[in-house]
Amino acid sequence: GAGVSQSPSNKVTEKGKDVELRCDPISGHTALYWYRQRLGQGLEFLIYFQGNSAPDKSGLPSDRFSAERTGESVSTLTIQRTQQEDSAVYLCASSRSRGGAVIRNTEAFFGQGTRLTVV
Amino acid sequence: AQKITQTQPGMFVQEKEAVTLDCTYDTSDQSYGLFWYKQPSSGEMIFLIYQGSYDEQNATEGRYSLNFQKARKSANLVISASQLGDSAMYFCAMREGTRDDKIIFGKGTRLHILP
Repeated sequence: GAGVSQSPSNKVTEKGKDVELRCDPISGHTALYWYRQRLGQGLEFLIYFQGNSAPDKSGLPSDRFSAERTGESVSTLTIQRTQQEDSAVYLCASSRSRGGAVIRNTEAFFGQGTRLTVV
Repeated sequence: AQKITQTQPGMFVQEKEAVTLDCTYDTSDQSYGLFWYKQPSSGEMIFLIYQGSYDEQNATEGRYSLNFQKARKSANLVISASQLGDSAMYFCAMREGTRDDKIIFGKGTRLHILP
């Protein structure tokens, strides 16, 4: 597709269950990001994939969170043993490579997000 | 430490007035990019404008302009002739030029345009 696609758009799960969120980035975009946005709040960085480099996992809030990316395509964010504080919108974004030392216009394109509700 | 600081959690502006949304950033890199995004109540993230650290002129895109003051590490968004549809959350973001080049966001400013 032309844009970043996320699925599901909404997910309601019971506390303690595992959930898997999917992101399909724009073709050719080497960079992929996951962010969490709680209601009325800003974007909290979770994890960043750039090409074949090791992912930057510095934003993952606990070891219950993990993410994988297959090459330069689909990514999945997995939350194990969900807690109520995990309720949020999870946004995925992709962008072109920054192309060397001088940053070119490499804005992130966002998906519509997955609204996760843990009950 | 915060790399992107937006000091205005909320703003109210009369329709047709110009509005400035503040953003300061912190980086030791010489090469970096700055971005502004708009998030209306629908939740989508809309890219507005980009400024590169080496760009000599301030970026402009229609009614949006970026007041880039490199020495002060400031990248304020200016919206001219505000419209009701400008009511939204606005986020400033930065991408640094080092290997650690993920895009990070400020906490945002909620803008309300009054009729």
